[in-house]
Parts: sequence; structure tokens; C-alpha cells
Amino acid sequence: AQSVSQHNHHVILSEAASLELGCNYSYGGTVNLFWYVQYPGQHLQLLLKYFSGDPLVKGIKGFEAEFIKSKFSFNLRKPSVQWSDTAEYFCAVNARGLTGGGNKLTFGTGTQLKVEL
Amino acid sequence: NAGVTQTPKFQVLKTGQSMTLQCAQDMNHEYMSWYRQDPGMGLRLIHYSVGAGITDQGEVPNGYNVSRSTTEDFPLRLLSAAPSQTSVYFCASSYSRGSYEQYFGPGTRLTVT
Repeated sequence: AQSVSQHNHHVILSEAASLELGCNYSYGGTVNLFWYVQYPGQHLQLLLKYFSGDPLVKGIKGFEAEFIKSKFSFNLRKPSVQWSDTAEYFCAVNARGLTGGGNKLTFGTGTQLKVEL
Repeated sequence: NAGVTQTPKFQVLKTGQSMTLQCAQDMNHEYMSWYRQDPGMGLRLIHYSVGAGITDQGEVPNGYNVSRSTTEDFPLRLLSAAPSQTSVYFCASSYSRGSYEQYFGPGTRLTVT
């Protein structure tokens, strides 16, 4: 079974600081990778996704992530965070080709980001 | 499109009571799923369905039942609520083929006393 690790549980940054959130997964086969964001009191929204092709993917609100297959990683980055980026961020993996439900997502435990003015 | 809708938004139950959390989607998605979200544990898959009449267990199915009689609806039933089921529940849906992006509902916050 696949698993997902997010190393940083809580991150506090000042506005304009750069952000990198780590995500590693364990699964030897082909994967689809996602970052979701949950703003306070809201439901999960997709930030970006990787299925194939260019390993550097760009998402909404200036976020990007890089898939490094050799490291089983999909780290999320943003060059300059804003106060409105305060939220919880979840990395998720879907292992392609599994029988019995290839859409199943496995989530990391989440990273709570607080951006201070 | 309304997307994925869930009712109720909030619910308080006493131990042993039963209830059904409703989930509906209007995007004609084959795949639907239920997750629970607990602090420090991320989202964990409870049950999922790849189409009407087909359901299967996820990571934490104990204490929950599901059925899928139509493409649109995927209710989650708690037969005898326990305090350990206090959580936020999210329903999600997606197409089964091609893109696997899942769309989430707004969630139901359940407290069992």
C-alpha cells in the first residue's frame, strides 16, 4: 500500500518569505500526485496536480511543485507567500493501475501554514 | 453545477444513535468516496464506490455503511455512533477514467457525546 509523508506539521512564515513544503511517498509504481489546500473553515481545493510530462507543475495562486521520481518526492513551493496563504496543505497520491479502485487517494497528515504580516 | 453537496453541515449525536450523512454530486462522476479528517492524521478513506451498485472499503471502514443506488448519491450511515467517530467528514467525487482529480464537498462536522 502507498503512504505519504509530510515532514513539516506547522510552518510559520512572514509575508514575502519563500515557502517549500516537503512531501514524500512510498509506492514503486506509477503515481498521480496532488496538492490540496484547505483554508480555515472551508473544504479542500486542488492547488495543482501531476500526472505525466514536465515534472515541474504550476498551480493556482503562484504555487508550483516539482516531481522528483528518484527521490519519491513532490515538494510544494511558492517564491513569496501572502497572509492569505494561511491554510492547511495536504499532499496526496493516487497509485495508478491498482485494482479495486484506482482513484483512491492517500493523503499526508497535512502542514499547517501560518503567514504573519 | 452545484458540484458536491453534503448535508447536514453540523450534527451532534449521543452514543448509540444512528444517522445518515448525505452526499450528492451533479457532475455525472462514477467515482465517489467518503473521508474523515482528524487533527494530525490528514484524511483517511472510509468507503468508496466506482459506480452505482458497487462499493468497497477504504482504510477505516469499521462502524460505517454505504450504498450507491444512483450515480448522484452516496450516503454514509453510522449505525451506532461512538465518540471515536467524532470527526469532520468529507465526500468527494471524480471521473473513473482519465483525470483522477477529486472534487470535495464542504464537509459535515460530527460530534458524538
